[in-house]
Amino acid sequence: LAKTTQPISMDSYEGQEVNITCSHNNIATNDYITWYQQFPSQGPRFIIQGYKTKVTNEVASLFIPADRKSSTLSLPRVSLSDTAVYYCLVGETGYSTLTFGKGTMLLVSP
Amino acid sequence: NAGVTQTPKFRVLKTGQSMTLLCAQDMNHEYMYWYRQDPGMGLRLIHYSVGEGTTAKGEVPDGYNVSRLKKQNFLLGLESAAPSQTSVYFCASSYSSTTYEQYFGPGTRLTVT
Repeated sequence: LAKTTQPISMDSYEGQEVNITCSHNNIATNDYITWYQQFPSQGPRFIIQGYKTKVTNEVASLFIPADRKSSTLSLPRVSLSDTAVYYCLVGETGYSTLTFGKGTMLLVSP
Repeated sequence: NAGVTQTPKFRVLKTGQSMTLLCAQDMNHEYMYWYRQDPGMGLRLIHYSVGEGTTAKGEVPDGYNVSRLKKQNFLLGLESAAPSQTSVYFCASSYSSTTYEQYFGPGTRLTVT
């Protein structure tokens, strides 16, 4: 699995756009990039997954440059309820290899 | 549709005791997983199953056993609990091996004294 590096924590205010970048320099050709969100005392929740360029859903956007050595999760107009830990995962899609790092703790303030 | 449920939600064990954690999913998913999460850490995969009757070891399998006798259930057993197994345990399931979208349960908080 490709190792990922992301900031330990980030702060933001309500209504702002938040971009969390993840580095994965040794990403393999077949690897996908996936982001999860985890609230305190809950299990992680899938946010978005992508392979290249840009992916958007109702919750977030995922930007992946051409070299795929990094990716950016973009959360538009965050609210207090977006305070959570965000995990970036990289690997070949399959059943055996979800590896979570320590994630990024996002704190949204009023 | 309850999704993924875990039983119990909390448990306190003494060292050497045994217990079984139950995970159930009603989404007809083939794949199921057990993770543990320690303070300040991400999740670590303990065991997983790719279908009824199958199990495989994950990253941290020692001290745990699992069984998948029915497609909807995945059991995690601790034969002789140790304080190092104090953790929050999460079960998850997924419908396909072509996606990383796993559905997680609410977790079981286990304390071993």
